[in-house]
Amino acid sequence: SQQGEEDPQALSIQEGENATMNCSYKTSINNLQWYRQNSGRGLVHLILIRSNEREKHSGRLRVTLDTSKKSSSLLITASRAADTASYFCATRDAGNMLTFGGGTRLMVKP
Amino acid sequence: GAGVSQSPSNKVTEKGKDVELRCDPISGHTALYWYRQSLGQGLEFLIYFQGNSAPDKSGLPSDRFSAERTGGSVSTLTIQRTQQEDSAVYLCASSHGGAWTGELFFGEGSRLTVL
Repeated sequence: SQQGEEDPQALSIQEGENATMNCSYKTSINNLQWYRQNSGRGLVHLILIRSNEREKHSGRLRVTLDTSKKSSSLLITASRAADTASYFCATRDAGNMLTFGGGTRLMVKP
Repeated sequence: GAGVSQSPSNKVTEKGKDVELRCDPISGHTALYWYRQSLGQGLEFLIYFQGNSAPDKSGLPSDRFSAERTGGSVSTLTIQRTQQEDSAVYLCASSHGGAWTGELFFGEGSRLTVL
């Protein structure tokens, strides 16, 4: 079963706009990670946020974590056509498993 | 090598045949993971290795699926008597040190099609 569930399932925006994706999970976690997958390729790690952190930045990426609501968000600012991909959140729980959600398919139109 | 290497990249087989998928992790990574991804879906955990042992086999869908890892390096995922529902992309990942603590490095996947 999936621990993380992304919302929305699909998102289409214009280049230059910001993209926000949300992830909800069910059990206590040690950390939460976001990955990106280009069509037909493997996943690439973007950012990891620990359970005692609330916000983290990496370039145009901003991740927030609210453990009280069991949710996280990934914000991509000033999106580019090259950001078109699927984005997955993954949670590491007390059982030490890294469980992935179903992903958000992002399309950035030039 | 520089990254996680998987082979074959594509495999088409007939129902009932056995297939072997290979994963060569990043040198020095002690942890290795297999996931399965059906078209347009998320990742389904299959099995995890720490060194040569597999402390977590909970995700293997049936007894037709098995995996081994030798020398703390290369891993093979074997699917016996393949069925059409086995069609998916099989992704391998590796990571430093202990279980699940940090980021996973993924290969490009092996796309399996069972006719």
